[in-house]
Amino acid sequence: KAGVTQTPRYLIKTRGQQVTLSCSPISGHRSVSWYQQTPGQGLQFLFEYFSETQRNKGNFPGRFSGRQFSNSRSEMNVSTLELGDSALYLCASSLDPGREQFFGPGTRLTVL
Amino acid sequence: GIQVEQSPPDLILQEGANSTLRCNFSDSVNNLQWFHQNPWGQLINLFYIPSGTKQNGRLSATTVATERYSLLYISSSQTTDSGVYFCAALIYNQGGKLIFGQGTELSVKP
Repeated sequence: KAGVTQTPRYLIKTRGQQVTLSCSPISGHRSVSWYQQTPGQGLQFLFEYFSETQRNKGNFPGRFSGRQFSNSRSEMNVSTLELGDSALYLCASSLDPGREQFFGPGTRLTVL
Repeated sequence: GIQVEQSPPDLILQEGANSTLRCNFSDSVNNLQWFHQNPWGQLINLFYIPSGTKQNGRLSATTVATERYSLLYISSSQTTDSGVYFCAALIYNQGGKLIFGQGTELSVKP
């Protein structure tokens, strides 16, 4: 069974631009969560989606948004990029909320 | 909110040595996971262990939920064990939100 896939793997943007990251969960998994990893803040929860609905949201500004499609694939969007948004963005999928989570390889975003 | 603390923050071992990594959490949890982050950043699942003991090869983990801690044991360490180890807790009534510790960076020297 294929694992969680994320695209693109690497991305370079400039301040003020916006970016969209994509995540395809493991087949049969219905829950997708997103996390941001930075050297200063560690791994922080962004949001969780289940059945196309956002169930939970972390403490991030409204510039961070996401959605989930009917096939459970998910996208997250960051608008008006800031230097501090440079990070590794990780997507995780699980069968259902609260079950074991499996992570993708991540998207490394650099904002110049 | 819940706090997840890992110790030690850094650990240097000679190949073949054993080690114990600790994860303390400040509230009741319904899911505790251990991960190894590889050099490319991917989190590799090691254990899903809300309570009890599990073993997988040279690695084993024990979670004592009533005392709010989990331990990861690495025996006969190898250089390929190097990297950062994270524990993460999932809290009742917070759906799929994993709370991560700050990690233990392990370096195994040949």
